Amino acid sequence: EAGVAQSPRYKIIEKRQSVAFWCNPISGHATLYWYQQILGQGPKLLIQFQNNGVVDDSQLPKDRFSAERLKGVDSTLKIQPAKLEDSAVYLCASSLDFGSNYGYTFGSGTRLTVV
Amino acid sequence: GENVEQHPSTLSVQEGDSAVIKCTYSDSASNYFPWYKQELGKGPQLIIDIRSNVGEKKDQRIAVTLNKTAKHFSLHITETQPEDSAVYFCAARDSNSGYALNFGKGTSLLVTP
Repeated sequence: EAGVAQSPRYKIIEKRQSVAFWCNPISGHATLYWYQQILGQGPKLLIQFQNNGVVDDSQLPKDRFSAERLKGVDSTLKIQPAKLEDSAVYLCASSLDFGSNYGYTFGSGTRLTVV
Repeated sequence: GENVEQHPSTLSVQEGDSAVIKCTYSDSASNYFPWYKQELGKGPQLIIDIRSNVGEKKDQRIAVTLNKTAKHFSLHITETQPEDSAVYFCAARDSNSGYALNFGKGTSLLVTP
């Protein structure tokens, strides 16, 4: 079974620029998550999708972050404009279904550095 | 929402010794508690999980215990090996909103030969 694919692996941008990250979840997984992991901390949920609908985006800074999962498969997370404090690893994860007691499968993440 | 506390933040053990990492959670309705291992440059990988209807689960050298009354759960690694060195995260499923996992801050485990 193929894992969760993320790209790019690394990105360096200047503050106030924009950036986009892409995620392809495991085939058949209905639920997709974007987490932000700041160095030395645990992952923090940004947004959760069930198929192509948003379940929870309460912790997404909506003035600068946006995400979509148009066809219920791939997802894109965008930051515009980026701030220095957005430097982090952005992890995408997927699970079989919403609320199911199964662990997530994470991708390798995109490491973003904002200078 | 769910709040997960994890201790210690760093742990150093000698090869062959045991390692224990402890977590507490705040939401008494939480019913799923996974543990993840994260190696440098990689995403977290699920190593073991426990559901609220059991008190202990083992998988070879790894075990997890759950005390629902006290709202804490622990990871036990026996006969540690250098390849166990990594950052370990506990998590608890939030019973509110989307039932997403909330993570602890992580424990950096170093196993020295």
